[in-house]
Amino acid sequence: AQSVAQPEDQVNVAEGNPLTVKCTYSVSGNPYLFWYVQYPNRGLQFLLKYITGDNLVKGSYGFEAEFNKSQTSFHLKKPSALVSDSALYFCAVRDWDNYGQNFVFGPGTRLSVLP
Amino acid sequence: KAGVTQTPRYLIKTRGQQVTLSCSPISGHRSVSWYQQTPGQGLQFLFEYFSETQRNKGNFPGRFSGRQFSNSRSEMNVSTLELGDSALYLCASSLAGTSQETQYFGPGTRLLVL
Repeated sequence: AQSVAQPEDQVNVAEGNPLTVKCTYSVSGNPYLFWYVQYPNRGLQFLLKYITGDNLVKGSYGFEAEFNKSQTSFHLKKPSALVSDSALYFCAVRDWDNYGQNFVFGPGTRLSVLP
Repeated sequence: KAGVTQTPRYLIKTRGQQVTLSCSPISGHRSVSWYQQTPGQGLQFLFEYFSETQRNKGNFPGRFSGRQFSNSRSEMNVSTLELGDSALYLCASSLAGTSQETQYFGPGTRLLVL
C-alpha cells in the first residue's frame, strides 16, 4: 500500500528566508506526487505535482518541489517565505491499490512564517 | 470557470440522525471523490464516483454512502450519526479521475455531531 510521511508537524521560518517542507513516500509502481495547501476554514488548494520528467517541479505562488527517486522524497521549497504562506501543507500520492483514483495524504505540516 | 461547490458549509446534527451533503463539481468534470478530515485521522478517502457509478471505496462503514447524478453532482449520506463522524467533509473533482490528473477540492462541509 502507498504511504506518505511528513516528518515535521510544524515548521517555523522567518519572512524572507527560504523554506522547506519535507515529504517522503512509499509506493509500488510510478510515484505520482502532489502538494496541496489548506488555509483555515478552506478546502485544499493545488500547488504542484510530479508525474514524470524534470525532477524540479514549479508550481503556484512561487513554490517548487524536488523529486528524488533514490531518497523517495518530494520536498516542497520556496526561496523567500511570505507571512501569507502560513498554512497547513499536505503531500499526497496516488493510491495504486485503488487503481490510482484517490489520494493517500500525509498527516500535514503546519508552516508558520514569522514577520 | 466556477470551482467545486459544497453545501451546506456548516451543519449541526445529533447522534442517531442522518445527514446528506452535496457537491457540485467543476463544469465538465465527471469524477467526484469524497474525503473525511479529522484532527486525529487526517485526510481519509471515502469513495469516488464516475459517470453515476461508485468506482472506488475507502475503509468506512456502510453508514457512509453516496451517489452521483447524471449532471455529475454528487451527494454523500451518513446514517445513524456518531460523535466520531464530526469532521470536515471535502469533495474533489477531476475530469476523468485518472492517476495523473489533479483533483480540485471544494471548501468542505463542517459537520458537528452532538
